[in-house]
Amino acid sequence: RKEVEQDPGPFNVPEGATVAFNCTYSNSASQSFFWYRQDCRKEPKLLMSVYSSGNEDGRFTAQLNRASQYISLLIRDSKLSDSATYLCVVKNAGNMLTFGGGTRLMVKP
Amino acid sequence: DAGVIQSPRHEVTEMGQEVTLRCKPISGHNSLFWYRQTMMRGLELLIYFNNNVPIDDSGMPEDRFSAKMPNASFSTLKIQPSEPRDSAVYFCASSWIAGGYGYTFGSGTRLTVV
Repeated sequence: RKEVEQDPGPFNVPEGATVAFNCTYSNSASQSFFWYRQDCRKEPKLLMSVYSSGNEDGRFTAQLNRASQYISLLIRDSKLSDSATYLCVVKNAGNMLTFGGGTRLMVKP
Repeated sequence: DAGVIQSPRHEVTEMGQEVTLRCKPISGHNSLFWYRQTMMRGLELLIYFNNNVPIDDSGMPEDRFSAKMPNASFSTLKIQPSEPRDSAVYFCASSWIAGGYGYTFGSGTRLTVV
């Protein structure tokens, strides 16, 4: 079993739709959690950190459920520019980040 | 801030040749990571350094791969001899050791071994 698991998609949604991605992680000692975004042929870029209380950044909302070892990302009012691969990431001891395989999102006009 | 700088951006080489990839981390960051990304395997951590010291190199595929960090502002990843299966995008990333920070990635080196 992979340490961080995501549905690879692709998720094909129309502009304006709300879409949610989920991710599970296996290491209960994981300390920090992030969502990264990766555009085609580009490097991954930090989208947002994920906090236990849940956090929001504009149209993006991230949630963490430590008991279920589950992380989610909700995107409201999808834009064409949101099309990318979204990587779920956990940080364990020693400053190591472990990346999920990514979920591909395609937003269509 | 110039970000994490990698060179070259693209490298095409023949099988058996030595390849050296270079990385300059963000000034002040004290952790540096080398990742490899392929369609089949996604992002794989090869090796990482804390304060210029290699901490975990268990992801290095085999002895053909080596990495050095002679100082806080420079690291290299060397493949000798290169093989076609080494073709991938190689990313360098840096961060602070402490705290709940993510990494900042460089633009990557796209390596093709023919």
